[in-house]
Amino acid sequence: LAKTTQPISMDSYEGQEVNITCSHNNIATNDYITWYQQFPSQGPRFIIQGYKTKVTNEVASLFIPADRKSSTLSLPRVSLSDTAVYYCLVGNHSGGYQKVTFGTGTKLQVIP
Amino acid sequence: IAGITQAPTSQILAAGRRMTLRCTQDMRHNAMYWYRQDLGLGLRLIHYSNTAGTTGKGEVPDGYSVSRANTDDFPLTLASAVPSQTSVYFCASRAGVLTDTQYFGPGTRLTVL
Repeated sequence: LAKTTQPISMDSYEGQEVNITCSHNNIATNDYITWYQQFPSQGPRFIIQGYKTKVTNEVASLFIPADRKSSTLSLPRVSLSDTAVYYCLVGNHSGGYQKVTFGTGTKLQVIP
Repeated sequence: IAGITQAPTSQILAAGRRMTLRCTQDMRHNAMYWYRQDLGLGLRLIHYSNTAGTTGKGEVPDGYSVSRANTDDFPLTLASAVPSQTSVYFCASRAGVLTDTQYFGPGTRLTVL
């Protein structure tokens, strides 16, 4: 299983763009990169997923360089409600079983 | 309301007792998962099921068992609870083989004394 490394915590002011980088040096060819968001006392919630280059949705953007050994989650103009733990996952669903590993995540604190 | 429900919300249990955590989804997802979340350790996979009638072991399966008699239900049983099983337990489901998106339940907070 590909291991991921993220910063333990980050602080940001409201209205700023936040970039959270995840390292996954031993990512496999058929692995996808997925990010989840978790608020206190809730289960994680899917944010975005990508395989290579850039993916954008209504919530965030995901940047993946050509070597795919890292990825960056970009949250535009964060608000206080974006304070949460963000998990980077790397894995695939070969054979049906989804081989993914949740790391310890990055705790983002948005400051007024 | 579509989604995943878990019961109970929280439970305090004496060591040695048997406990079953319930998980039900109404999205007709094939794959279901049980995770435990401990402070500083993120989420760790306990057991999984790719489809009704099949189950498999995850990263930390010892002390836990699961069954998948139908698509909707995926109960997790602690045969004889120990204090190290104190944790928050999350159930999740995934729609199909072409997506990695998992949908999580609200969690069960279990304390074993």
